[in-house]
Amino acid sequence: AQTVTQSQPEMSVQEAETVTLSCTYDTSENNYYLFWYKQPPSRQMILVIRQEAYKQQNATENRFSVNFQKAAKSFSLKISDSQLGDTAMYFCAFPESNFGNEKLTFGTGTRLTIIP
Amino acid sequence: KAGVTQTPRYLIKTRGQQVTLSCSPISGHRSVSWYQQTPGQGLQFLFEYFSETQRNKGNFPGRFSGRQFSNSRSEMNVSTLELGDSALYLCASKLSAGGSYEQYFGPGTRLTVT
Repeated sequence: AQTVTQSQPEMSVQEAETVTLSCTYDTSENNYYLFWYKQPPSRQMILVIRQEAYKQQNATENRFSVNFQKAAKSFSLKISDSQLGDTAMYFCAFPESNFGNEKLTFGTGTRLTIIP
Repeated sequence: KAGVTQTPRYLIKTRGQQVTLSCSPISGHRSVSWYQQTPGQGLQFLFEYFSETQRNKGNFPGRFSGRQFSNSRSEMNVSTLELGDSALYLCASKLSAGGSYEQYFGPGTRLTVT
């Protein structure tokens, strides 16, 4: 079975600081995608960033970047210059393959609070 | 483009009843997935539909079922409701089948079973 683990249930940082959320996963596949999703309080889940496993370069989207370590099966999310609007639950997600059909498996999430 | 819409947004049912939730994907999206979100179990995959066919199913009892129509709209049904079915049910659509596509989530239906 493939699993996704987020070891930090909650984190809080001061506004403008940098924070890193960790995620590890387990898979026997070689080519796959990894995602970070954000769920703000009482709002819809949205995609933050996506990483393709066959690409060595870490994905970046403005203040969001990942540190992808394929051999270690680690996929952490770094938020730079954090803002109040970054307060949310963050989920790492992996499309677990089941005989060619993928189902998105989520980690348990990290509740991030940005302190003014 | 309009986003993913789910109806109803809130629902209160009693044990033993059945419920049907609806999801309208983004225009042009052909894949719809359903998830159950609870504080205890987190986000769990229910099933995915693509071109009116169920592609994948999570580990849920047969009381949970779904379908997809030719316009890609999807419904999920839960029969014989139990207290443990209280949850936020999320629908997500994507352009096509496959793990590389970004999923777009709806606001969810909050189901409370009493």
